[in-house]
Amino acid sequence: DIVMTQSPDSLAVSLGERATINCKSSQTVLHSSTNKNYLAWYQQKPRQPPRLLIYWASTRESGVPDRFSGSGSGTDFNLTISSLQAEDVAVYFCQHNYNTPPVFGPGTKVDIK
Amino acid sequence: QVHLVQSGAEVKKPGASVKVSCMVSGYTFTDYYIHWVRQAPGQGPEWMGWINPNSGGTNYARKFQGRVTMTRDTSISTAYMELNRLKSDDTAIYYCARDMAKWQLLFDYWGQGTLVTVSS
Repeated sequence: DIVMTQSPDSLAVSLGERATINCKSSQTVLHSSTNKNYLAWYQQKPRQPPRLLIYWASTRESGVPDRFSGSGSGTDFNLTISSLQAEDVAVYFCQHNYNTPPVFGPGTKVDIK
Repeated sequence: QVHLVQSGAEVKKPGASVKVSCMVSGYTFTDYYIHWVRQAPGQGPEWMGWINPNSGGTNYARKFQGRVTMTRDTSISTAYMELNRLKSDDTAIYYCARDMAKWQLLFDYWGQGTLVTVSS
């Protein structure tokens, strides 16, 4: 199974500042036949299910604010919140969908400084 | 509007079984795979498997094979997940989630979650 790691475990950022989360996979999730990175990001607020934010490493799901962006390729990916808002306080998970089983990272908690 | 509505919280003793339901609305049930994902306290989500509501075909994570059964009833647009031989570390919130396209393993709509507590 592909192992997903995230860093940092948590971070605190001032309102309006940038937050960046890193995700690494134990093997490439770039599919040679489609040239797509099979990597997604989810946001989870307390007592709610995860919400899909980004897939194919950089495609925003419908309705997701454009302050959220994804980048990276192969085994190394980032989620960036360009200007942190109060409603962005949450835990963020990466997940590969390269093959079964799809595996989630352990999560990064984002708070306001 | 797409909705996935799950059954209520359960408390079970070790060795027992639990069956969680997931009723969908707002789209054609048989058009999208349903996945089951669980999340233990303070942990990342863990994928358990999927069911194809059209054919009834399933694919289970190796960890749960022999212990989990996923079924569906197309007449009421409902998927089910039954987990047997429960242990204390099965205590978690269990979610159903829709695959956003045929077998993309991307989860665009989720149920509200069902807390299953396993305790003697």
